Amino acid sequence: GNSVTQMEGPVTLSEEAFLTINCTYTATGYPSLFWYVQYPGEGLQLLLKATKADDKGSNKGFEATYRKETTSFHLEKGSVQVSDSAVYFCALANYNQGGKLIFGQGTELSVKP
Amino acid sequence: EPEVTQTPSHQVTQMGQEVILRCVPISNHLYFYWYRQILGQKVEFLVSFYNNEISEKSEIFDDQFSVERPDGSNFTLKIRSTKLEDSAMYFCASSEASGLALPSEQYFGPGTRLTVT
Repeated sequence: GNSVTQMEGPVTLSEEAFLTINCTYTATGYPSLFWYVQYPGEGLQLLLKATKADDKGSNKGFEATYRKETTSFHLEKGSVQVSDSAVYFCALANYNQGGKLIFGQGTELSVKP
Repeated sequence: EPEVTQTPSHQVTQMGQEVILRCVPISNHLYFYWYRQILGQKVEFLVSFYNNEISEKSEIFDDQFSVERPDGSNFTLKIRSTKLEDSAMYFCASSEASGLALPSEQYFGPGTRLTVT
């Protein structure tokens, strides 16, 4: 079946450090891939997405590239801020499976000043 | 900006009681979803709903669960007889299109924290 695996957290970084959160997936067909962010006390917000191989999703300085050959969708940011502290979820959805989202376990990011 | 809303934000109930969690999806959306997140665990799909019927449900969504769109705006999740293990954050989501084309973005509500005692 379809599944998503993320690196375990928590991840603690200093402000302006480089961020990578690894995400790999298992899926049939050609899923769309997403990163969602959950700030403390809030719901899930879509951060970025990619719908086909080699697509790069980007938003707010975050980037992720859909790598079919390695079945990965790693999240990166060149310089994190304290305000980026949140839980990040990698997810996939398959158009021929009703579009439900399958989430990874989430990675908590804490950025210190 | 349109948003998905959910009420209540926190519900405390006793084991065996019925609860109804309410959601107002974005008005022009056609697909509706419920997910749950047990504390410290991943977000899990429960059910999807389209054209006034369930389009898919997970193993979690057993006979104790039901969904309904009683009018043109609300989308509800009912748990008939709550168990301790139903304690979780429940998220509602909606999207414009799904299934026939690439999945469109799902917009999530802020969630309802259900505590079963």
